[in-house]
Parts: sequence; C-alpha cells; structure tokens
Amino acid sequence: NAGVTQTPKFQVLKTGQSMTLQCAQDMNHEYMSWYRQDPGMGLRLIHYSVGAGITDQGEVPNGYNVSRSTTEDFPLRLLSAAPSQTSVYFCASSWTGLFGPGTRLTVT
Amino acid sequence: GQSLEQPSEVTAVEGAIVQINCTYQTSGFNGLFWYQQHAGEAPTFLSYNVLDGLEEKGRFSSFLSRSKGYSYLLLKELQMKDSASYFCAVSLNGAGNNRKLIWGLGTSLAVNP
Repeated sequence: NAGVTQTPKFQVLKTGQSMTLQCAQDMNHEYMSWYRQDPGMGLRLIHYSVGAGITDQGEVPNGYNVSRSTTEDFPLRLLSAAPSQTSVYFCASSWTGLFGPGTRLTVT
Repeated sequence: GQSLEQPSEVTAVEGAIVQINCTYQTSGFNGLFWYQQHAGEAPTFLSYNVLDGLEEKGRFSSFLSRSKGYSYLLLKELQMKDSASYFCAVSLNGAGNNRKLIWGLGTSLAVNP
C-alpha cells in the first residue's frame, strides 16, 4: 500500500505556463480532493471527486481543472499559472482525509 | 456565509492538559473534523464528530455541541511531539455524497518543557 502519492514535490513555473499535478491512491477510495494551503489561510478546497467520472468545485476552483477517469488518479491542472497560485498543494483521499505529502509550487 | 474560528496560538507545558476551541457558523452541517499538522508535513486526521458529546481516543478527545456551534479538542499528558498546528474543519451537507470541507485557520500549539 503506497497510500496517497503526489508528484512533483517541488515545481517552479513562469507566469502563463501550464502544468499538471499528479495524485494517485491505491486504496480504492471513492472520495478524493485537492487543497491549497497558504500561510495564515488554512486549507482551502479546490476541487473534489466522489468517484470516477464525477467531480465538483470547491471553495477556490478558478484557474484549476480536474478530471477523474479512474478511481486511482485525480490530476489537478493549472491552465495558465499566476503568481497568486504560489502555494502548497495537497491531495487527499477517503472521506476522513488521508493526505499526500504535498507539492510546493512557486510561480514567478 | 461560512465561518470557523479558532485561537491562533496556544502555549502549554509538557505533561499538562490543553483545550483548543472551535466555533462555527455554517449553512448546512454534517460533522466536524480535527486534524494535526506538523511543520512542513501534511495534515493527519485526528477525529470526526457527528453527534453531540465527547469522543475519546487515547490522549486526545473531541467534543461537539451542534446547538451551540462549538467544538473543542482536548489533549492530555502533553508531549513535546504534540507541538503542531491543529485545524477544525466542518463538513457541509450536500446531495448524495457531495460533501465539502471548510477549514479553520488553525491553532499553533507550542508545548514547552
């Protein structure tokens, strides 16, 4: 059981670039979610999914897309990176929230 | 709107008991979570309360009063490793399995020797 894996661990982007943050879990959890965490802001829900083919918006979805073609994978796409998207991104699976190690993203 | 309030910082002594409060005002409530997060790491699940009352899990206990919009996390026999940030998060009602979590800003607990 690898738990929840996220790649990459660190990423630096230039404004306007796009990229995909990967998230995978091998526990057959239906519920998966993406959060961003900024200093002093706590965690904010970006998107979540309750099963393959089903996604919905969270609190701060603008600038991000998700898809859930399989139960295992839940990638997060940044369409056109902006400095305001500099943050730590966490993927979580299961209803109680088993978190991946996070991706530290810097947009210059 | 949705709001969760927690103290920003709490300080306690090793071996003591500390209580971290969380008050919430949300439209739709399904349950309340508590998470622990050490610096530079991912949050880890501590507890989930749906019904009123106290739930005990080892050194950690969590209390919920739905009528008062209030919860607390109680940590007993504090250890240095308990120094971390603690977050409350509310699960909002949604159709079917659609549930969103709204998080508080977190409470930084410092345990001193």
